[in-house]
Amino acid sequence: DAGITQSPRHKVTETGTPVTLRCHQTENHRYMYWYRQDPGHGLRLIHYSYGVKDTDKGEVSDGYSVSRSKTEDFLLTLESATSSQTSVYFCAIRGALNTEAFFGQGTRLTVV
Amino acid sequence: TQLLEQSPQFLSIQEGENLTVYCNSSSVFSSLQWYRQEPGEGPVLLVTVVTGGEVKKLKRLTFQFGDARKDSSLHITAAQPGDTGLYLCAGDLKSGYALNFGKGTSLLVTP
Repeated sequence: DAGITQSPRHKVTETGTPVTLRCHQTENHRYMYWYRQDPGHGLRLIHYSYGVKDTDKGEVSDGYSVSRSKTEDFLLTLESATSSQTSVYFCAIRGALNTEAFFGQGTRLTVV
Repeated sequence: TQLLEQSPQFLSIQEGENLTVYCNSSSVFSSLQWYRQEPGEGPVLLVTVVTGGEVKKLKRLTFQFGDARKDSSLHITAAQPGDTGLYLCAGDLKSGYALNFGKGTSLLVTP
């Protein structure tokens, strides 16, 4: 299995609080992605990274920010959580374009 | 509007039946991938297709990449209950680094 770990695995937080999700990899892969998964929507891309300090927005980036200060860690921050951000969040990594993406186990976030 | 449109969104069939899932776009892709996801887990790659017109087979699963590299299909022959899951297509555009997914097809195969 690819070495990718998401933390925390579950979190309940209150509306308006900041939340940071962590994705850690031991594969030294260049590309890292954050997705959210909601019923009927498949996986929607939030942000992605193509190198240290190189990030870009995906299709649903509003309300989210990311940082990648080193190859192995990709952080997703909800600056002020809202109930619409209740979802399952997946991190993915891959070493090159057009190749397999490996996914973490997911983080279930509930905003109350 | 999603970059990749999958159909059908839900499919419930009986064991032994055949089925086809479609993944369509108006954009050209350098490659398309198919993933399968089980409840509570992350998606796992089934196949990657990179050449227009390419056909790949994985046991009872047949994958095809359209000639224009804008669409793909997944055909399952003689479905089994173990095929139950969420099937997702994903694509790399010719430029950029994003990996975009379709909404998925939820397949239920009953004995």
